[in-house]
Amino acid sequence: DQQVKQNSPSLSVQEGRISILNCDYTNSMFDYFLWYKKYPAEGPTFLISISSIKDKNEDGRFTVFLNKSAKHLSLHIVPSQPGDSAVYFCAAKGVGSGTYKYIFGTGTRLKVLA
Amino acid sequence: EPEVTQTPSHQVTQMGQEVILRCVPISNHLYFYWYRQILGQKVEFLVSFYNNEISEKSEIFDDQFSVERPDGSNFTLKIRSTKLEDSAMYFCASNGGTNEKLFFGSGTQLSVL
Repeated sequence: DQQVKQNSPSLSVQEGRISILNCDYTNSMFDYFLWYKKYPAEGPTFLISISSIKDKNEDGRFTVFLNKSAKHLSLHIVPSQPGDSAVYFCAAKGVGSGTYKYIFGTGTRLKVLA
Repeated sequence: EPEVTQTPSHQVTQMGQEVILRCVPISNHLYFYWYRQILGQKVEFLVSFYNNEISEKSEIFDDQFSVERPDGSNFTLKIRSTKLEDSAMYFCASNGGTNEKLFFGSGTQLSVL
């Protein structure tokens, strides 16, 4: 049941450049999306979210873009820093659908090279 | 910043034994969750809990699993008879509303031998 997919298991980027992480979803009932960052042996840490009434949300170096027609969202990190090296998960939830669960993708391991 | 705390950080058990994983959610949160991550795989939903009852559970959450909020602060996950495939990192999470971000604990690494 792969409702949320991150097709790139890993990504390497030079420090200072842009990192773009992608996420696709299949369920049109999803209308709240989140990105989490995870270091080894730690819990996921919230980064940024977006609801379906928006197509962009920005917070500092992090911007999330949502394309509802394509069922696609992306996370942009500019400029990338070595401390951004972690696994990034996108997550989705259906608002008002009676579901309580947040469904996570498989993650993308980002490595920022100094 | 308030945080979700989980104990123990590591738990090793023999197959067939019962384990209880403990969590203290953020104090004013109302919704509680358990997720797990098998090494290198995705973070999988197990169960959500609200108003002292399970609100949703996944197919993973079978009769061997149970959750409880025994008092006003703790939220526990019990696995009655552990199997080798239960080995994973278990994360507790909480939030104040159904459409708010989840706050995760640092996890309990469960190893079933």
